[in-house]
Amino acid sequence: EVQLVESGGGLVQPGGSLRLSCAASGFTFSSFWMHWVRQAPGKGLEWVANIKQEGSEKHYVDSVKGRFTISRDNAKNSLYLQMNSLRAEDTAMYFCARATSDGWYGLDYWGQGTLVTVSS
Amino acid sequence: ETTLTQSPAFMSATPGDKVSISCKASQDIDDDVNWYQRKPGEAAIFLIQEATTLVPGIPPRFSGSGYGTDFTLTINNIESEDAAYYFCLQHDTLPWTFGQGTRVEIK
Repeated sequence: EVQLVESGGGLVQPGGSLRLSCAASGFTFSSFWMHWVRQAPGKGLEWVANIKQEGSEKHYVDSVKGRFTISRDNAKNSLYLQMNSLRAEDTAMYFCARATSDGWYGLDYWGQGTLVTVSS
Repeated sequence: ETTLTQSPAFMSATPGDKVSISCKASQDIDDDVNWYQRKPGEAAIFLIQEATTLVPGIPPRFSGSGYGTDFTLTINNIESEDAAYYFCLQHDTLPWTFGQGTRVEIK
């Protein structure tokens, strides 16, 4: 059974940093593109970033470029999101998700999310 | 960036109803739309891929239609367990974008 479990969320002050983790199980993690998606309170979902199987290719939404870094450790079956220079507008539930096997046909499995609150 | 306009934001249905949710894209995205269901505290579930293909294991009362800019998720003979948040995703071009979501309540 595919499982994605996010952790690392919490309350952080504006300008602070946080590192999210996503533990994957039930599939060959190193064979799939992985993504981060977020949802601010009362808002729709926003795609944040993705990373290729071996980590050589990454893409980001403009609003996080230069502040967030997506990474992965295939030996640990883990996905990460390093978030720096956090802003109030980064407050959201953050989800990790697996891309379909071909990589570019959307997302097929999601985690339950971890909540990030940016506030003083 | 492709904007997906999803409607309605909320709907209330009675068991047995037929329910339709719309996603309209700001540009032609072929059939590059997926639909998902999410219940509070649970992971989202993949319902429909490539606009019309039912994901294995999903009940056949769920169906998808559309191509280009207009897409619809239909739930026939809706059941109480279908109360959830539904959303569409376009994966035609980065950044992938989502509809604003529809909360479906079952009376």
